[in-house]
Amino acid sequence: GAVVSQHPSRVICKSGTSVKIECRSLDFQATTMFWYRQFPKQSLMLMATSNEGSKATYEQGVEKDKFLINHASLTLSTLTVTSAHPEDSSFYICSASLAGGQYEQYFGPGTRLTVT
Amino acid sequence: ELKVEQNPLFLSMQEGKNYTIYCNYSTTSDRLYWYRQDPGKSLESLFVLLSNGAVKQEGRLMASLDTKARLSTLHITAAVHDLSATYFCAVSYSGGGADGLTFGKGTHLIIQP
Repeated sequence: GAVVSQHPSRVICKSGTSVKIECRSLDFQATTMFWYRQFPKQSLMLMATSNEGSKATYEQGVEKDKFLINHASLTLSTLTVTSAHPEDSSFYICSASLAGGQYEQYFGPGTRLTVT
Repeated sequence: ELKVEQNPLFLSMQEGKNYTIYCNYSTTSDRLYWYRQDPGKSLESLFVLLSNGAVKQEGRLMASLDTKARLSTLHITAAVHDLSATYFCAVSYSGGGADGLTFGKGTHLIIQP
Protein backbone atom coordinates (compact mmCIF):
# COMPACT_ATOMS: atom_id res chain seq x y z
CA GLY A 1 0.00 0.00 0.00
CA ALA A 2 0.81 3.73 0.13
CA VAL A 3 1.83 4.10 -3.49
CA VAL A 4 2.42 7.49 -5.07
CA SER A 5 2.60 7.90 -8.83
CA GLN A 6 3.81 10.76 -10.98
CA HIS A 7 3.09 11.56 -14.57
CA PRO A 8 4.91 12.02 -16.80
CA SER A 9 8.13 10.33 -15.78
CA ARG A 10 10.08 12.32 -18.34
CA VAL A 11 9.23 15.44 -20.28
CA ILE A 12 11.14 17.61 -22.69
CA CYS A 13 9.73 21.01 -23.47
CA LYS A 14 10.83 24.12 -25.25
CA SER A 15 11.82 27.26 -23.46
CA GLY A 16 8.84 29.50 -22.81
CA THR A 17 6.25 26.75 -22.70
CA SER A 18 4.46 25.36 -19.66
CA VAL A 19 4.42 21.80 -18.42
CA LYS A 20 2.16 20.11 -15.91
CA ILE A 21 3.27 17.30 -13.60
CA GLU A 22 0.73 15.17 -11.77
CA CYS A 23 1.19 13.49 -8.42
CA ARG A 24 -1.37 10.90 -7.34
CA SER A 25 -1.78 8.84 -4.21
CA LEU A 26 -3.09 5.58 -5.60
CA ASP A 27 -4.39 3.70 -2.59
CA PHE A 28 -4.76 6.28 0.14
CA GLN A 29 -6.00 9.78 0.77
CA ALA A 30 -3.36 12.44 1.16
CA THR A 31 -4.32 15.65 2.89
CA THR A 32 -0.84 16.99 2.33
CA MET A 33 1.50 16.61 -0.59
CA PHE A 34 4.96 18.02 -0.95
CA TRP A 35 6.94 19.02 -4.02
CA TYR A 36 10.72 18.73 -4.07
CA ARG A 37 13.30 19.57 -6.69
CA GLN A 38 16.61 17.83 -7.14
CA PHE A 39 19.36 19.10 -9.38
CA PRO A 40 21.95 16.62 -10.66
CA LYS A 41 24.19 15.25 -7.95
CA GLN A 42 22.53 17.43 -5.34
CA SER A 43 20.10 16.91 -2.53
CA LEU A 44 16.35 17.39 -2.53
CA MET A 45 15.00 20.83 -1.81
CA LEU A 46 11.45 21.38 -0.63
CA MET A 47 9.62 23.71 -2.98
CA ALA A 48 6.13 23.83 -1.55
CA THR A 49 3.56 22.16 0.64
CA SER A 50 0.21 21.45 -0.91
CA ASN A 51 -2.91 20.98 1.17
CA GLU A 52 -6.15 19.76 -0.30
CA GLY A 53 -8.60 22.57 -0.86
CA SER A 54 -6.29 25.40 0.09
CA LYS A 55 -3.46 27.42 -1.35
CA ALA A 56 -0.02 25.93 -1.39
CA THR A 57 2.69 27.18 0.92
CA TYR A 58 5.90 27.97 -0.92
CA GLU A 59 9.41 27.88 0.48
CA GLN A 60 11.53 30.98 0.45
CA GLY A 61 12.98 31.66 -2.96
CA VAL A 62 10.42 29.60 -4.87
CA GLU A 63 8.31 31.72 -7.22
CA LYS A 64 4.67 30.88 -6.71
CA ASP A 65 3.67 32.42 -10.04
CA LYS A 66 6.15 30.26 -11.85
CA PHE A 67 5.44 26.99 -10.06
CA LEU A 68 1.68 26.71 -9.84
CA ILE A 69 0.41 24.06 -7.48
CA ASN A 70 -3.13 22.77 -7.32
CA HIS A 71 -4.38 20.16 -4.87
CA ALA A 72 -7.92 19.65 -6.04
CA SER A 73 -8.62 16.35 -4.36
CA LEU A 74 -7.29 14.08 -1.67
CA THR A 75 -5.50 11.99 -4.28
CA LEU A 76 -4.15 14.49 -6.78
CA SER A 77 -1.78 17.42 -6.73
CA THR A 78 -0.39 19.09 -9.82
CA LEU A 79 2.69 21.22 -10.36
CA THR A 80 2.74 23.44 -13.42
CA VAL A 81 6.02 24.97 -14.44
CA THR A 82 5.08 28.08 -16.36
CA SER A 83 7.25 29.75 -18.98
CA ALA A 84 9.92 27.14 -18.45
CA HIS A 85 13.58 27.99 -18.93
CA PRO A 86 16.62 25.71 -19.18
CA GLU A 87 17.49 26.46 -15.54
CA ASP A 88 14.19 24.82 -14.55
CA SER A 89 15.50 21.52 -15.85
CA SER A 90 15.55 19.25 -12.84
CA PHE A 91 14.15 16.13 -11.23
CA TYR A 92 10.83 16.94 -9.56
CA ILE A 93 9.66 14.56 -6.85
CA CYS A 94 6.41 14.67 -4.93
CA SER A 95 5.57 13.01 -1.66
CA ALA A 96 2.32 12.48 0.16
CA SER A 97 1.31 12.12 3.77
CA LEU A 98 -1.45 9.80 4.76
CA ALA A 99 -4.59 11.56 5.98
CA GLY A 100 -4.64 11.03 9.70
CA GLY A 101 -1.12 9.73 9.66
CA GLN A 102 1.62 11.48 11.51
CA TYR A 103 5.03 11.00 10.11
CA GLU A 104 5.50 8.80 7.10
CA GLN A 105 5.94 10.38 3.69
CA TYR A 106 5.58 8.36 0.56
CA PHE A 107 7.62 9.51 -2.41
CA GLY A 108 6.64 9.34 -6.03
CA PRO A 109 9.01 8.04 -8.71
CA GLY A 110 9.90 11.55 -9.88
CA THR A 111 9.61 13.50 -13.12
CA ARG A 112 12.66 14.48 -15.08
CA LEU A 113 12.10 17.80 -16.81
CA THR A 114 14.39 18.98 -19.56
CA VAL A 115 13.85 22.43 -21.00
CA THR A 116 15.57 23.06 -24.32
CA GLU B 1 16.68 27.72 9.70
CA LEU B 2 16.93 23.98 10.03
CA LYS B 3 20.22 22.59 8.76
CA VAL B 4 21.10 18.98 8.22
CA GLU B 5 24.69 17.90 7.74
CA GLN B 6 25.83 14.51 6.63
CA ASN B 7 29.29 13.12 6.58
CA PRO B 8 31.04 11.78 4.79
CA LEU B 9 29.62 12.98 1.49
CA PHE B 10 31.50 10.35 -0.41
CA LEU B 11 32.56 6.94 0.77
CA SER B 12 34.30 4.18 -1.07
CA MET B 13 34.67 0.95 0.83
CA GLN B 14 35.36 -2.68 0.29
CA GLU B 15 32.88 -5.47 0.63
CA GLY B 16 32.81 -7.01 4.04
CA LYS B 17 33.81 -3.85 5.88
CA ASN B 18 31.78 -1.86 8.38
CA TYR B 19 31.19 1.83 8.28
CA THR B 20 29.00 4.59 9.71
CA ILE B 21 27.35 7.60 8.12
CA TYR B 22 26.63 10.51 10.42
CA CYS B 23 23.77 12.98 10.31
CA ASN B 24 23.67 16.10 12.46
CA TYR B 25 20.80 18.55 12.54
CA SER B 26 20.55 22.02 13.98
CA THR B 27 17.20 22.34 15.75
CA THR B 28 14.92 20.24 17.85
CA SER B 29 13.19 17.48 16.00
CA ASP B 30 12.31 13.97 16.99
CA ARG B 31 11.61 12.63 13.54
CA LEU B 32 14.59 11.56 11.52
CA TYR B 33 14.37 9.78 8.21
CA TRP B 34 16.86 7.77 6.19
CA TYR B 35 16.40 7.21 2.48
CA ARG B 36 18.27 5.42 -0.25
CA GLN B 37 18.44 6.72 -3.80
CA ASP B 38 19.75 4.79 -6.79
CA PRO B 39 20.92 6.70 -9.87
CA GLY B 40 18.02 8.17 -11.81
CA LYS B 41 15.49 6.90 -9.31
CA SER B 42 13.37 8.37 -6.56
CA LEU B 43 13.74 7.76 -2.86
CA GLU B 44 13.33 4.48 -1.06
CA SER B 45 12.41 4.80 2.59
CA LEU B 46 14.78 2.93 4.89
CA PHE B 47 14.00 4.07 8.41
CA VAL B 48 11.88 6.52 10.33
CA LEU B 49 13.21 7.24 13.81
CA LEU B 50 10.70 8.82 16.10
CA SER B 51 12.19 9.13 19.54
CA ASN B 52 15.39 9.53 21.45
CA GLY B 53 17.30 6.32 21.64
CA ALA B 54 15.42 4.73 18.78
CA VAL B 55 17.31 2.01 16.98
CA LYS B 56 16.11 0.20 13.91
CA GLN B 57 17.74 -2.51 11.87
CA GLU B 58 17.03 -3.96 8.48
CA GLY B 59 19.48 -6.45 7.07
CA ARG B 60 22.98 -4.96 7.08
CA LEU B 61 21.75 -1.46 7.91
CA MET B 62 21.11 -0.11 11.36
CA ALA B 63 20.01 3.41 12.23
CA SER B 64 19.95 5.17 15.56
CA LEU B 65 18.81 8.51 16.90
CA ASP B 66 20.12 10.66 19.73
CA THR B 67 17.86 13.69 19.96
CA LYS B 68 19.89 15.28 22.71
CA ALA B 69 23.00 15.31 20.56
CA ARG B 70 20.89 15.96 17.44
CA LEU B 71 22.68 13.09 15.80
CA SER B 72 21.63 10.07 13.84
CA THR B 73 23.87 7.33 12.50
CA LEU B 74 23.42 4.80 9.75
CA HIS B 75 25.70 1.84 10.28
CA ILE B 76 26.57 -0.58 7.55
CA THR B 77 27.70 -4.02 8.57
CA ALA B 78 29.70 -6.30 6.28
CA ALA B 79 28.93 -4.20 3.24
CA VAL B 80 27.94 -5.83 -0.03
CA HIS B 81 27.99 -4.34 -3.52
CA ASP B 82 24.18 -4.06 -3.66
CA LEU B 83 24.29 -1.40 -0.98
CA SER B 84 26.04 1.01 -3.34
CA ALA B 85 23.75 4.04 -3.59
CA THR B 86 23.31 7.56 -2.25
CA TYR B 87 21.93 7.74 1.27
CA PHE B 88 20.08 10.76 2.57
CA CYS B 89 19.00 11.67 6.04
CA ALA B 90 16.16 14.13 6.47
CA VAL B 91 14.47 15.90 9.32
CA SER B 92 10.99 17.33 9.49
CA TYR B 93 10.77 21.06 10.06
CA SER B 94 9.06 21.09 13.39
CA GLY B 95 9.01 17.47 14.37
CA GLY B 96 5.31 17.48 13.66
CA GLY B 97 3.29 15.29 11.37
CA ALA B 98 2.75 16.61 7.89
CA ASP B 99 5.83 18.74 7.54
CA GLY B 100 8.18 19.13 4.66
CA LEU B 101 11.56 17.54 5.06
CA THR B 102 15.00 19.12 5.11
CA PHE B 103 17.54 16.81 3.57
CA GLY B 104 21.22 16.41 4.11
CA LYS B 105 23.47 16.57 1.07
CA GLY B 106 23.61 12.83 0.82
CA THR B 107 26.37 10.27 1.14
CA HIS B 108 27.44 8.69 -2.11
CA LEU B 109 28.47 5.17 -1.16
CA ILE B 110 30.46 2.92 -3.46
CA ILE B 111 31.17 -0.61 -2.33
CA GLN B 112 33.87 -2.36 -4.23
CA PRO B 113 34.44 -6.10 -4.46
